[in-house]
Amino acid sequence: AQSVTQLDSQVPVFEEAPVELRCNYSSSVSVYLFWYVQYPNQGLQLLLKYLSGSTLVKGINGFEAEFNKSQTSFHLRKPSVHISDTAEYFCAVTWDSNYQLIWGAGTKLIIKP
Amino acid sequence: ETGVTQSPTHLIKTRGQQVTLRCSSQSGHNTVSWYQQALGQGPQFIFQYYREEENGRGNFPPRFSGLQFPNYSSELNVNALELDDSALYLCASSLIAGGPGIGELFFGEGSRLTVL
Repeated sequence: AQSVTQLDSQVPVFEEAPVELRCNYSSSVSVYLFWYVQYPNQGLQLLLKYLSGSTLVKGINGFEAEFNKSQTSFHLRKPSVHISDTAEYFCAVTWDSNYQLIWGAGTKLIIKP
Repeated sequence: ETGVTQSPTHLIKTRGQQVTLRCSSQSGHNTVSWYQQALGQGPQFIFQYYREEENGRGNFPPRFSGLQFPNYSSELNVNALELDDSALYLCASSLIAGGPGIGELFFGEGSRLTVL
C-alpha cells in the first residue's frame, strides 16, 4: 500500500533561520507530490506540487521542494522563516488519475522569536 | 470568485445518529472530494464526485455516502455514527477538464464533528 512518512511531528526553528521539513513516500510507480499548509483554524492551502519535469519545484511564500526519485523523498525547504510561517505542513502523494491523495501525518512548524 | 464553503462549522451528535455535511464548491469547479482528518493525523480520502457520480472511494464503510448536485455542490452523509467518526471533515473542489485527472484541490475550512 502507498504511504507517506513525515519524519518530524514538530520542527522548532528560530526566526530568519532556514528550515527543512522531511517527507518520504513509498511507491513503485510514478507519483505526483504535493505540499499543503494549514494555518490555525483554516483549511488546507496548496504550497507547491510536482507533476513532472524539473525536480526542483518553487511554491508560494518562498518555499521550494526537491523531488528525489532514488530516495523517494520530497523535502520542503525555506531559506529564511518568518513568524507568519507558523502552521502545520502536510505532504501528500497520488499515483492515479483519480486524484486520491495519500497524506502524511503533518509537521508543525514552530517559529521561535 | 467565491471559495469552498462548508456547513455547519461545528456540530455535536450522539452515537447511532445520522449527520449531513454540506459543501459548496468553488465557482467553475466540477469535482468535489471529501476527507476525514482525525486529531493529530493527516486527512484520509473518503470519496470523490465528478459530474454527479462517485469517482473513487477510500477505505470507508458504506454508512459514509455522498451526493453531488447539478450545481456541483455536495453532501456527505454518515449513518449510525460511532465515536471514532469524531473528526474534521474537509471538502475540496477542483476542476478536471476532459475527465478525471490531476487538478489543484481547493479546501474549505471543514466541519468539526464530535460524536458523544
